[in-house]
Amino acid sequence: KAGVTQTPRYLIKTRGQQVTLSCSPISGHRSVSWYQQTPGQGLQFLFEYFSETQRNKGNFPGRFSGRQFSNSRSEMNVSTLELGDSALYLCASSLRDGSQETQYFGPGTRLLVL
Amino acid sequence: AQSVAQPEDQVNVAEGNPLTVKCTYSVSGNPYLFWYVQYPNRGLQFLLKYITGDNLVKGSYGFEAEFNKSQTSFHLKKPSALVSDSALYFCAVRDIGSYGGSQGNLIFGKGTKLSVKP
Repeated sequence: KAGVTQTPRYLIKTRGQQVTLSCSPISGHRSVSWYQQTPGQGLQFLFEYFSETQRNKGNFPGRFSGRQFSNSRSEMNVSTLELGDSALYLCASSLRDGSQETQYFGPGTRLLVL
Repeated sequence: AQSVAQPEDQVNVAEGNPLTVKCTYSVSGNPYLFWYVQYPNRGLQFLLKYITGDNLVKGSYGFEAEFNKSQTSFHLKKPSALVSDSALYFCAVRDIGSYGGSQGNLIFGKGTKLSVKP
């Protein structure tokens, strides 16, 4: 079974631009979560989706948004990019949204904002 | 608030020796604990989790972790380290929602870099 896939793998943008990242979960998985990883802040939770509904949101500004489609694929969008948005963005999927579920991570999208 | 702490930024071990990567937690309610490993330029790979039951949890690649409720610890262990085990290791705990129930997102420790020398 294929793992979590994320596209693109690498991205370079300039300040003020916007970016959309895509995540395809493991087949049959209905829950998708997004995390931001930076050297300074470590791994921080962005949002979680289940059956096209946002279930939970981390402490990020409104410039960060996301959505989930009926096939469970998810996208996240960052508008008005800032230098501090440079990070590795990780997507994780799980079969269900229960607290005991294991989250399986994709390889990430590395975003560089210049 | 839920939290995990990884007190060591780096652990150095000789190949063939046992290794321990430490993790302590602070939770309200039942602790759902996880270990992940991250190789350079890769995403996180799931190693093992503790939900309930036996305090010794066995996981992938020969790793195991011991849940200790009295010491609020969940240390990762391996009897014999390999050079290929060199990576960044993260301990994580489920967050809790506003109504006190566990919810979907994970709260991660800052990570411990494991270096195994030949």
